[in-house]
Amino acid sequence: SQQGEEDPQALSIQEGENATMNCSYKTSINNLQWYRQNSGRGLVHLILIRSNEREKHSGRLRVTLDTSKKSSSLLITASRAADTASYFCATELYSGNTPLVFGKGTRLSVIA
Amino acid sequence: EAGVAQSPRYKIIEKRQSVAFWCNPISGHATLYWYQQILGQGPKLLIQFQNNGVVDDSQLPKDRFSAERLKGVDSTLKIQPAKLEDSAVYLCASSLVRAQETQYFGPGTRLLVL
Repeated sequence: SQQGEEDPQALSIQEGENATMNCSYKTSINNLQWYRQNSGRGLVHLILIRSNEREKHSGRLRVTLDTSKKSSSLLITASRAADTASYFCATELYSGNTPLVFGKGTRLSVIA
Repeated sequence: EAGVAQSPRYKIIEKRQSVAFWCNPISGHATLYWYQQILGQGPKLLIQFQNNGVVDDSQLPKDRFSAERLKGVDSTLKIQPAKLEDSAVYLCASSLVRAQETQYFGPGTRLLVL
């Protein structure tokens, strides 16, 4: 079963605007990760946020985590055409050395 | 630091044929993963190795898929015989120790089964 579900499925914005993607999950987690996938390529790790963290920044990326609502958001500020990609959240199914489960992703298109 | 290497990048076969994919993880990474990514979906884990032992293969269709990681380094994933629904991108990833750490992905092998 799907652990993480991204929302929206697709997002189209103008260059310079901010993009927000959300991820909801079902079970308790130790951490949540966000990955980016450019068309035809492998995934690239963006950021990892642990369950005891509420917010994390990396460059133009801001991730929040609300464990009470079992949700996370990824904000990309001042978007660029190069940010066009699919974005996935990944969570563990249950605690321990268990696999990450990826959602279906949000397809972001940044129009120049 | 070299990334995760995969080959081939593309493969076209007919149904019922066999195919093999190869992955070389980042040096020193104990854990290796094979994922299947169908178009429009997120990656789905097929098998996870820690060193040369299998940690999780619960979603591997064992009647047709097999994987090995000899000597705890390189890995091969085989499909025999292939079905049309096996058309997907096969991604290999590695992490230093545990699944909850950052995973580093290779470029993937795009398989088309006709």
